[in-house]
Amino acid sequence: QVQLQESGPGLVKPSETLSLSCTVSGGDIRDNHWSWIRQPPGKGLEWIGNIYYRGSTKYKSSLQSRVIISVDTSKNQLSLKMNSVTAADAAVYYCAKSGDTHDAFDIWGQGTMVTVSS
Amino acid sequence: DIVMTQSPDSLAVSLGERATINCKSSQSVLYSSNNKNYLAWYQQKPGQPPKLLIYWASIRESGVPGRFSGSGSGTDFTLTISSLQAADVAVYFCQQYYTTPRTFGQGTKVEIK
Repeated sequence: QVQLQESGPGLVKPSETLSLSCTVSGGDIRDNHWSWIRQPPGKGLEWIGNIYYRGSTKYKSSLQSRVIISVDTSKNQLSLKMNSVTAADAAVYYCAKSGDTHDAFDIWGQGTMVTVSS
Repeated sequence: DIVMTQSPDSLAVSLGERATINCKSSQSVLYSSNNKNYLAWYQQKPGQPPKLLIYWASIRESGVPGRFSGSGSGTDFTLTISSLQAADVAVYFCQQYYTTPRTFGQGTKVEIK
């Protein structure tokens, strides 16, 4: 059973770069598509972008200029970098796997809360 | 972007009664070449990540109880909980994976009356 675990700083200063990792266990990151999704406290879900290990990425257009999603196959890890963060970027950040036969998100990490504050 | 709109925002249902949540997409998520609706439903309990319940609009994910069912096609979809249990108290989201950006409904909170 594939499991995902997000990690990274829980506090980021405004204007700095948010960097998160997602470690994939029980499966190979070279299979499937992988996404980052965030959820501000008490609010809904926002898809940030996805990646297939061969390097094909897609991003939400409003975030595209600030976001990079990448894969490290040697570590079986997915990463997210978001620069120039503001208070609006404070959220729980999830990594999620797309299904084997569909693109719904069948496996999610537990999420990591990121606060933006000086 | 495809906008997903759920109704109602919240509902309270008695234990054992039916709960119905609607989801409308701003454009069709039915792919004509394979006749599949690219629509999923998730359940999210407090402090937990969302859990996939339904994909292809009506296919239950493995392990999801049979009281959960999905229906609809094109732009109008429904999630039904046939007999509400206490464990079903949660927020439910619909999501389209027809195109990027993937988009979610705003969520429907289900409570016990």
